[in-house]
Amino acid sequence: EVQVVESGGDLVQPGASLRLSCAGSGFTFANHNMGWFRQAPGKGLEWVANIKEDGSEKYYVDSVRGRFTVSRDNAKNSLYLQMNSLRADDTAIYYCARGSPGWISDFWGQGTRVTVSS
Amino acid sequence: DIVLTQSPDSLAVSLGERATINCKSSQSVLSTSNNQNFLAWFQHKPGQPPKLLTYWASTRGSGVPDRFSGSGSGTDFTLTISSLQAEDVAVYYCQQYYSSPITFGPGTRLEI
Repeated sequence: EVQVVESGGDLVQPGASLRLSCAGSGFTFANHNMGWFRQAPGKGLEWVANIKEDGSEKYYVDSVRGRFTVSRDNAKNSLYLQMNSLRADDTAIYYCARGSPGWISDFWGQGTRVTVSS
Repeated sequence: DIVLTQSPDSLAVSLGERATINCKSSQSVLSTSNNQNFLAWFQHKPGQPPKLLTYWASTRGSGVPDRFSGSGSGTDFTLTISSLQAEDVAVYYCQQYYSSPITFGPGTRLEI
């Protein structure tokens, strides 16, 4: 059974850092592009970042570029999102999604909540 | 950036009736290299992760009931639910993956 499980969400103050993790199972993690998405309270879905299956290509939405870094460890079947200089408008549920085929996000985790507030 | 607009914003349909949601792209998402439209539809219910319904505009995702169908090409796309069921109450989003940044439409809320 395909599973992706996010973790690491928390309540943090503006300017803080946080690292989200996503564990994949039930599929060959190293064969899939992966992505992060988010949904802010009362808002729609927003793509945050993508990473190619071998980690050679990474893409970001403009609002997080330079603050967030996506990475992966295929040996651990894990995807990460390092978030620095967090702002109130980064408050959202963050979802990890598998790409299959290509960048099509065919399977999503339950999400992890990030709240940025003083 | 490619901007997606959806219509209507919300929709109320009787059980067993047809629901139609439209998505319009600010530029074509049809690739000349593979003749595919880089357009997907997602269903999102409260407290659940989004679920992929269709991709390449009209290919149904794994396990998606055949009452869901996607159509369209270029800049104009449609998601049709042929016979609405109670469990179809959700917000529906179109998404383009033709170019970065990947973008979503604002969503259409579907109610009974």
